Parts: sequence; structure tokens; C-alpha cells
Amino acid sequence: EAQVTQNPRYLITVTGKKLTVTCSQNMNHEYMSWYRQDPGLGLRQIYYSMNVEVTDKGDVPEGYKVSRKEKRNFPLILESPSPNQTSLYFCASSSPRDLPHTEAFFGQGTRLTVV
Amino acid sequence: GEDVEQSLFLSVREGDSSVINCTYTDSSSTYLYWYKQEPGAGLQLLTYIFSNMDMKQDQRLTVLLNKKDKHLSLRIADTQTGDSAIYFCAENVDSWGKLQFGAGTQVVVTP
Repeated sequence: EAQVTQNPRYLITVTGKKLTVTCSQNMNHEYMSWYRQDPGLGLRQIYYSMNVEVTDKGDVPEGYKVSRKEKRNFPLILESPSPNQTSLYFCASSSPRDLPHTEAFFGQGTRLTVV
Repeated sequence: GEDVEQSLFLSVREGDSSVINCTYTDSSSTYLYWYKQEPGAGLQLLTYIFSNMDMKQDQRLTVLLNKKDKHLSLRIADTQTGDSAIYFCAENVDSWGKLQFGAGTQVVVTP
């Protein structure tokens, strides 16, 4: 089954304690990205990756890091989480080779609370 | 820059039709999407429309696109309680898959 898997689904942490949210896809997609969802703001892109070892900032990258060492995995790293990073996070993957349109597949989401 | 706007809340009676509206700004978008998010779940692609189309129908869903006004709407016929969810309008901003989302419309279906 084609899927994007995020872990954990729920996380409560304290300010400043480094954390990693994992994301894995089994569709051999080149493009992966992270979004955060906040009430009244919709989803905003944090970082994206066009392929292995190619990453770039999205619209709201401050306070986040990513890596893409393997095609299937795209972890999101918060080196020093702060309360304003409390949000619902989604990982997505897609491939520009998928025609006629590029459908993005989303993970189930990770609800992060930073206290 | 890109911006997608939609109303935040819609209440509808079971059995009635729901209409969710969206406006977008990027005229180069080739596809426009509607995603559904049920409580505690991820995003599910409901339907999409190619920018050179005016209308697309898929069972109870009808998508209307007015490219001149950059206006997109989603009509759900015979709305059911299972249609209660947040609906996101989105446009693709590049050929790789980056999406620009609206804020989401919370649809509440009442008996």
C-alpha cells in the first residue's frame, strides 16, 4: 500500500530539548516536504527536498532542520524547540514524473506540543 | 506572491447542498485541489481540476472553476454527517508538488 508514515503521532516536549520527527515513504518519490498546520493559517511549507542530498527552505523554515540521506526518509529536526513550534506537522511526498498531475501524498500528522 | 483564501466556517443541514468557496492568486497554477481533513486524520485528496477546465463532477462532488476571477468552488450534494471535516483548497505552485493551501473551511453538518 502506498503510504507516507510519520512518527510519532503525538509528542509533548519541553523547551530546548532536541527532537526529531521521522517521515518515510514507500513510493520512490523524489520530492518530499514538511508542512505545519495552524488554525486560521492552513498548511505552510517548512522545508522541501527534490532528491537525495538536495534540500531547501520553504515558507517558514526558522527553527527547523531537515536531512535527506536516503530517498525514502526525510526527518524533521527541531534543535531547540520553542512553544511557538507547537503545531500539527505533516510530511508529504510526490513525484513530478506522475502524470497528468503531481499528487501529493500526506502522512497522518504529528501533533507536537512544546511546553 | 501566492495566496489562497477561503471562508473559515460553514454550517449545513444534513441532506442540503454545501458550497465551499476559494480564491487564489497564482494564475500560472495548472491544477487546483480540494483536500479533506477529518478529525485526527491526515489530508485526503478529494478531487482536483485542471486549469483549462470549467467544471468537474465526481459523484456528489462538483468543482467549478472561474479562471478569470480566480475563483474555485466545491459543491457537495446531499451532505451527510460524514462530510463534517475541514476542507482545504490548494493550488500547485510548481511542477514538483509544492502546494499553497488556504486556511481551511470547517464544515459542520447538523441533523
